[in-house]
Amino acid sequence: KAGVTQTPRYLIKTRGQQVTLSCSPISGHRSVSWYQQTPGQGLQFLFEYFSETQRNKGNFPGRFSGRQFSNSRSEMNVSTLELGDSALYLCASSSATGTAQYFGPGTRLLVL
Amino acid sequence: GESVGLHLPTLSVQEGDNSIINCAYSNSASDYFIWYKQESGKGPQFIIDIRSNMDKRQGQRVTVLLNKTVKHLSLQIAATQPGDSAVYFCAETTAFAGGTSYGKLTFGQGTILTVHP
Repeated sequence: KAGVTQTPRYLIKTRGQQVTLSCSPISGHRSVSWYQQTPGQGLQFLFEYFSETQRNKGNFPGRFSGRQFSNSRSEMNVSTLELGDSALYLCASSSATGTAQYFGPGTRLLVL
Repeated sequence: GESVGLHLPTLSVQEGDNSIINCAYSNSASDYFIWYKQESGKGPQFIIDIRSNMDKRQGQRVTVLLNKTVKHLSLQIAATQPGDSAVYFCAETTAFAGGTSYGKLTFGQGTILTVHP
């Protein structure tokens, strides 16, 4: 089975721009969660989607949003980028009945 | 101003030694715990998990111990190898809290494991 895939792997943006990141979960997995990883804050939960509905949300500003499609693929969007948004953005998927989350390789975002 | 990075605990061991990585978790209601390994430039890799109704679980060369009384989790790696060098994270979640907090993992700060040949 193919693992979680994320595109693009690397991105460079400038302040004020917006960005969209994509995640394809493991086949059959319906839950997709997003995390931000920075040296200063570690791994922090952004949000989780299950069957196209946001089920959980972390403590991030409204500039961070996401969605999930009927095939379970998910996207997250960050609008009006700030320097502090530079981070590794990780996507993880899990099955409806299983509980382990499996992570993708991440998208490295650099905001200049 | 300048951002200050997390100061991760470090553990250095010799190849062949056993390693023990510790983690204190925060939520007494957490009922599911996972250990992840993260190598440089990669996403976290699932190692082993344990539910709150268990005290110990063994995998291949790894054992996880859970002490709910003091909210402590540990990962034991037997016969540590250079390929085990990575950052190790514990994560907790309330996986069965009415199905409302299924996908949210709360991570510890991580421990850097270095294995010397």
